[in-house]
Amino acid sequence: GAVVSQHPSRVICKSGTSVKIECRSLDFQATTMFWYRQFPKQSLMLMATSNEGSKATYEQGVEKDKFLINHASLTLSTLTVTSAHPEDSSFYICSARDRVGESTDTQYFGPGTRLTVL
Amino acid sequence: RKEVEQDPGPFNVPEGATVAFNCTYSNSASQSFFWYRQDCRKEPKLLMSVYSSGNEDGRFTAQLNRASQYISLLIRDSKLSDSATYLCVVQLNTGNQFYFGTGTSLTVIP
Repeated sequence: GAVVSQHPSRVICKSGTSVKIECRSLDFQATTMFWYRQFPKQSLMLMATSNEGSKATYEQGVEKDKFLINHASLTLSTLTVTSAHPEDSSFYICSARDRVGESTDTQYFGPGTRLTVL
Repeated sequence: RKEVEQDPGPFNVPEGATVAFNCTYSNSASQSFFWYRQDCRKEPKLLMSVYSSGNEDGRFTAQLNRASQYISLLIRDSKLSDSATYLCVVQLNTGNQFYFGTGTSLTVIP
């Protein structure tokens, strides 16, 4: 299957700092990438949909000024958590959508980034 | 109301057992359905898509009941390696976002 990489895999930072997470599709072009957040024992929650060359679409309750998303190329999307606080500690996962024709629409997930804010 | 609801379990079954998970979805207009598997502290990986006619992949069988708006996953002859969280995923239309259930935890015991 398609490969999506994410970097870094783990980050620990002090409160108030900004953290940048990269998501890359390695063997296909992804016009759409998604950013999810998963708290312990909870489901993946979609934060935003990132479309190449345009502004991201944020889900209700997600602050666009706090979670900056840039999708500058067909293979790279970045999520920047600005002024991170302990409540932002979570597992952040990106996915890239690979469309093959009109009948197949599969999301491939990156390995995730575990963010811990002290 | 949640878009997708799953029994979180946990399901603890012996090796070789058959286990079934169900999932219900709220939007009757949903078009695409999937089961993903997520291992502890890892990303979800697609296990199988769910088709209207039902489909089977080895020991795994997925069924869709549109009238009752539920999806099922049956695992036969459980292996230790099947231990994971199984996520039910629903998509309204091709190109739209995926809605994830909270997942059902399965532990296969030797």
